[in-house]
Amino acid sequence: SYELTQPPSVSVSPGQTASITCSGDKLGDKYACWFQQKPGQSPVLVIYQDTKRPSGIPERFSASNSGNTATLTISGTQAMDEADYYCQAWDSSTVVFGGGTKVTVL
Amino acid sequence: QVQLVESGGGVVQPGRSLRLSCAASGFTFSSNGMHWVRQAPGKGLEWVAVIWYDGRNKYYADSVKGRFTISRDNSKNTLYLQMNSLRGEDTAVYYCARESRWDGSSRLDYWGQGTLVTVSS
Repeated sequence: SYELTQPPSVSVSPGQTASITCSGDKLGDKYACWFQQKPGQSPVLVIYQDTKRPSGIPERFSASNSGNTATLTISGTQAMDEADYYCQAWDSSTVVFGGGTKVTVL
Repeated sequence: QVQLVESGGGVVQPGRSLRLSCAASGFTFSSNGMHWVRQAPGKGLEWVAVIWYDGRNKYYADSVKGRFTISRDNSKNTLYLQMNSLRGEDTAVYYCARESRWDGSSRLDYWGQGTLVTVSS
C-alpha cells in the first residue's frame, strides 16, 4: 500500500519560516493536499492540488510537490500556526495520509 | 454554509456493532463523494472509507474491509458507517468529510466535528 512519510516534529521561531516535508514514491505524479489540525479541533484544509489555498487560508501558507517530496511552507510563522499538519494524497480511489508533523512555535 | 454533523458514537463492547450517521446541510449532498476518516486518541488521521456521490462505488481501508460498510441516503442528506465486529483498535474519533472535485483534482474540503467511538469491555 502507498505510504507518506512526514517528520514527527518541526520547531520554528515566531516570524521565521517553517518547512514540512512529505515523502512518497513518485508523489509528484499525484496531487497533494495539506491539513492543519489544532488540539480538540477538526482538520482544516490549507492546501489542495499541490499549491492552491482555499479561501480564508493566509498567504503565508504555500506548498510545492515534485519528485518524491511535497513541502508545506509557512512563512512568517505566527503563534496561531502551532498545530499538527498532515499531508494527503490519492492512491487509486483511496486516500492516504501522512503520519503528521507537530509544528511548535518557540 | 456547509455543515456536517456526526452522531452515533459511544462505548461499545468488542465484537459488537455500531452505526454512525453524518447529517449534511448547506450543499447539494447528492453531488459529492463522502468519506469517513478516524483518529485514534493521540494518533494521526486514518482514512476509513469513501462512497461516491451516487452510492455506486465504495472503497475501504484494509483495516476495516469486511467489517465496516459505508452507505448514504441522498433523500435524507445523510451518510452512514455501519461498524461490525468492533475491536479495541477501532477506538477513535470518527469524522465525516466532503469530497469536492474541481479543476481536475479532489479535496476533502469540509469536515464534521467528529464523534467518539470507544470499544471496551
